[in-house]
Amino acid sequence: SQTIHQWPATLVQPVGSPLSLECTVEGTSNPNLYWYRQAAGRGLQLLFYSIGIDQISSEVPQNLSASRPQDRQFILSSKKLLLSDSGFYLCAWTLGQGPYEQYFGPGTRLTVT
Amino acid sequence: KQEVTQIPAALSVPEGENLVLNCSFTDSAIYNLQWFRQDPGKGLTSLLLIQSSQREQTSGRLNASLDKSSGRSTLYIAASQPGDSATYLCAVKFWNAGNMLTFGGGTRLMVKP
Repeated sequence: SQTIHQWPATLVQPVGSPLSLECTVEGTSNPNLYWYRQAAGRGLQLLFYSIGIDQISSEVPQNLSASRPQDRQFILSSKKLLLSDSGFYLCAWTLGQGPYEQYFGPGTRLTVT
Repeated sequence: KQEVTQIPAALSVPEGENLVLNCSFTDSAIYNLQWFRQDPGKGLTSLLLIQSSQREQTSGRLNASLDKSSGRSTLYIAASQPGDSATYLCAVKFWNAGNMLTFGGGTRLMVKP
């Protein structure tokens, strides 16, 4: 069966510090991968999605970036965090293109102080 | 612009009551619609996936219906329990949106013992 992992679960970082969040999927190949952010009192915002290694699309302009160094690994990064980057970051995957179900990881709670 | 709306934003019911959560979407050209549950501080758990060709899906005490022509879906929860308390999110995969989901704002449900 497929499993999706995220780490760390919780992170507190000062403004201006770098960020690296990791997401790994097990039990499937060539998944579509997604990064979402859920800010307090707001809905889910799609940040990045990837249909393959080195194939990443950005949905909103921000100081975040994403990379996919391996087929089942998706990383969210920042060189300098802003206060507004605080939120709950969720990774998700789905099988390729088509009417497939989307599955979410447990999330990372990021607080920028 | 393709949008997904969930009303009400919050709902409180006594234990044992049958209830209906609503989801509406602005474009009937959809691949599928997915209902999720989110507990506080946790990721999203997929509850039901309805393909565009289907009218409803059932899982235990949950039943989701889909009416594409009217742009509506409902999630019916029978004999509600305190453990059903969570936020319920509806997400639509539109035909021309690639492999991405458009989320509603969610309904926060509280079932009182």
